[in-house]
Amino acid sequence: DADVTQTPRNRITKTGKRIMLECSQTKGHDRMYWYRQDPGLGLQLIYYSFDVKDINKGEISDGYSVSRQAQAKFSLSLESAIPNQTALYFCATSESRYNEQFFGPGTRLTVL
Amino acid sequence: AQSVTQLGSHVSVSEGALVLLRCNYSSSVPPYLFWYVQYPNQGLQLLLKYTSAATLVKGINGFEAEFKKSETSFHLTKPSAHMSDAAEYFCAALYSGAGSYQLTFGKGTKLSVIP
Repeated sequence: DADVTQTPRNRITKTGKRIMLECSQTKGHDRMYWYRQDPGLGLQLIYYSFDVKDINKGEISDGYSVSRQAQAKFSLSLESAIPNQTALYFCATSESRYNEQFFGPGTRLTVL
Repeated sequence: AQSVTQLGSHVSVSEGALVLLRCNYSSSVPPYLFWYVQYPNQGLQLLLKYTSAATLVKGINGFEAEFKKSETSFHLTKPSAHMSDAAEYFCAALYSGAGSYQLTFGKGTKLSVIP
C-alpha cells in the first residue's frame, strides 16, 4: 500500500463550486504539505502543517484553505473554485524539517 | 528571495549517452539539496539528497550529483541513459527563513531519451 494517498485522483468541477482534496499518510510523519504544480512552473507551496495544531500559509495560499484532522490526514479546500486553479495538486510528508519529503500520486483538478 | 534555477526545460539524449541536468541555487549558505524525478501520472520520487556529508552524492537508478559551492551548483549526471530514464526531473533546495524551513523547487527539466 502507498504511504501517501490522495483522493480523488482526478476531479472536474465548475466555477464557484466548493471542492475538497484529501490526503492520508501512514508514514507517521508530523509534517504535511500541499503543493500545486503547473506546467513549466515547478511546484509551489500552498500550505504546510507541522502538527495538528500548527497550520502555516505557503507562497500561494490565496483562494485555498486547509484542515489537519489528525496526524495522518490533511485536507485542502477550494471554497469557490476558479478556472486558474486548474492544476495538479500534491500532498507530501516529511519526518523533520531537514529530511526529504515523500509525495502522494497527485490529484488532477480541472475547473471549468 | 531564494531560488533554484534549472537550465533547460527540455533535454534530449540518445540511449547510452551521458545525461547532464543542470541546477544552480541562490544562497551564500549551502542549503540541503535534492533531486526528484517525476514519471508520467505519478508523484515525485527522491533520487538523491545532499546534506553536507560528501560533495559527490550517489542516488538511485545510477544517478549522481556533485555539490560545488564555488559555482553554487548541484548538477545531476548519469553515465549512460536508458529509455526508462525519460521523465521530468526537479532540483530542490531547503532554505531556512522566518524560523522555518521550506523546500524551493526549480521549474523542472523534461528528459527525453532517443532510441
